[in-house]
Amino acid sequence: AQSVAQPEDQVNVAEGNPLTVKCTYSVSGNPYLFWYVQYPNRGLQFLLKYITGDNLVKGSYGFEAEFNKSQTSFHLKKPSALVSDSALYFCAVRPPLSGNTPLVFGKGTRLSVIA
Amino acid sequence: NAGVMQNPRHLVRRRGQEARLRCSPMKGHSHVYWYRQLPEEGLKFMVYLQKENIIDESGMPKERFSAEFPKEGPSILRIQQVVRGDSAAYFCASSPLGGVDGYTFGSGTRLTVV
Repeated sequence: AQSVAQPEDQVNVAEGNPLTVKCTYSVSGNPYLFWYVQYPNRGLQFLLKYITGDNLVKGSYGFEAEFNKSQTSFHLKKPSALVSDSALYFCAVRPPLSGNTPLVFGKGTRLSVIA
Repeated sequence: NAGVMQNPRHLVRRRGQEARLRCSPMKGHSHVYWYRQLPEEGLKFMVYLQKENIIDESGMPKERFSAEFPKEGPSILRIQQVVRGDSAAYFCASSPLGGVDGYTFGSGTRLTVV
């Protein structure tokens, strides 16, 4: 069965510093991987995805993520954090060519960017 | 082009009452997914529907919970005889085809059982 782990419940970073939010996955074959962000009292917003191709994926709001097959990871990164990046971040996975298999989400990581 | 619309945004029910949560998918999307979010537990899959069909309900409790997505109208998540443990945020998402490119989420319904 597929699963996603986000090992950190909380990440704190100073404004202007680089940030990393970690995600590891377990799924057979080459996965489809996603990052979503949730602001308070809102639904999840899509940030970026990896389906195939270049291991470095660029997404919305200056975020990027790197697919690492050997480490089964898909960490979210941003070179310079903003206070407005403070939110709850979810990693999600589904097996390739899975047709009707729903996305499986991690528990989420709360990012706090301090001015 | 309106996104995924969920209503109500907030719902308060007394123990034993019924809760009905509605979700209208994005225009052109025929696949609907319901997730429940509890504090410290992340987002848990409940049920996946296409028009008039339940595709996967493996995440939905066997009792008191049901879901439908009729030919006309929104998808409905129904919780009968609610208990305090049902208090959570319920999110609906939609996608075209099988969601290869990910889902579009609604803003959620926050259910409080008193």
